[in-house]
Amino acid sequence: DAGVTQSPTHLIKTRGQQVTLRCSPKSGHDTVSWYQQALGQGPQFIFQYYEEEERQRGNFPDRFSGHQFPNYSSELNVNALLLGDSALYLCASSFASGRNEQYFGPGTRLTVT
Amino acid sequence: SQKIEQNSEALNIQEGKTATLTCNYTNYSPAYLQWYRQDPGRGPVFLLLIRENEKEKRKERLKVTFDTTLKQSLFHITASQPADSATYLCALEWDYNTDKLIFGTGTRLQVFP
Repeated sequence: DAGVTQSPTHLIKTRGQQVTLRCSPKSGHDTVSWYQQALGQGPQFIFQYYEEEERQRGNFPDRFSGHQFPNYSSELNVNALLLGDSALYLCASSFASGRNEQYFGPGTRLTVT
Repeated sequence: SQKIEQNSEALNIQEGKTATLTCNYTNYSPAYLQWYRQDPGRGPVFLLLIRENEKEKRKERLKVTFDTTLKQSLFHITASQPADSATYLCALEWDYNTDKLIFGTGTRLQVFP
């Protein structure tokens, strides 16, 4: 049973560019959450997708957007990249019912130069 | 807004001893609290979940307590081993309907032989 997978593992972008990160949830999970983790900090909640809709959002600007596909996989898009967007981006999957542990992927390390 | 505090200083203990990590929060109590382990460059791995009406939860060498009066959770690792060395994150959820987790900054544990 494959766990949560993310691609790519590493990415280097230039300020002002756009980036798309991808996530496949653990088999049987229908909810995907995205987190941003800066060095030395805990993960910060970006948003959550369920039934192809954004169900919950954290304090992130509109430059951060996402999508969930019918097979429950998800994408995170970041436009107009800033140096401060450099971080580890984590995807986590879970069941929709809530009150459950989340399964995290290995993350995508984004570096903005 | 909700705040979570974990000891930012690393905890160094000798193999075989019990490690105790602290997670404090402000304002009202969460629906439940989770503990995760994170190794460098990897995604967090779920360890334990404790609900607001539970005082204590155990799993093998791990124990979590939840004191809503003190607004504090303690995470214990008994008979610690060098392989337990990692960063431990506590995460709280206040929304009963989603899995939006708010993470602390984590505490780095170093177990030396």
